[in-house]
Amino acid sequence: DTAVSQTPKYLVTQMGNDKSIKCEQNLGHDTMYWYKQDSKKFLKIMFSYNNKELIINETVPNRFSPKSPDKAHLNLHINSLELGDSAVYFCASSPDRGGSPLHFGNGTRLTVT
Amino acid sequence: DAKTTQPTSMDCAEGRAANLPCNHSTISGNEYVYWYRQIHSQGPQYIIHGLKNNETNEMASLIITEDRKSSTLILPHATLRDTAVYYCIVRVLYNQGGKLIFGQGTELSVKP
Repeated sequence: DTAVSQTPKYLVTQMGNDKSIKCEQNLGHDTMYWYKQDSKKFLKIMFSYNNKELIINETVPNRFSPKSPDKAHLNLHINSLELGDSAVYFCASSPDRGGSPLHFGNGTRLTVT
Repeated sequence: DAKTTQPTSMDCAEGRAANLPCNHSTISGNEYVYWYRQIHSQGPQYIIHGLKNNETNEMASLIITEDRKSSTLILPHATLRDTAVYYCIVRVLYNQGGKLIFGQGTELSVKP
């Protein structure tokens, strides 16, 4: 009964490949997010969707494209992977786009070789 | 950039209270103080938040100074499972769709 689940947990791939990370939440929340945690452990927001509508798009390369088929899912597609994309990617959700606490998944560790 | 400063690391003896300080001297009147923690290899976990009054829940207590320029998160009886990185975040309610700006946090080590 995991609240926010991400797949895969680990992803190892080569430079230039295209990969996707999936996220699903069963909390009935309206808002979902992608955060990136780099090697220095800093967490930064990448995207946020509210009811399938993009509401936050930080300065992220165009190679990263979020897709929300419904409000329970927010997937992250990454094209032409680069070494610098190696990081842990966290999906999160919250009941609304305001001040409600975020619920995070346990992350996907992406390693680009 | 994060609007908070925290000590890089702290130690606490198991069973004792852990008091984690946070400075947010530039906090605005409509900004709340949030605390999250991240246990190794897990996603961040919400702990507590407050505006100006002290708050308590089943996990922790939050003490905010009267001038709101600093706060302290208190874990009343720390256990080994409380070892984690603790993040203090200031955030405007109903801002930008839930955007959290994380700083470096405090790495708390609870020791037997």
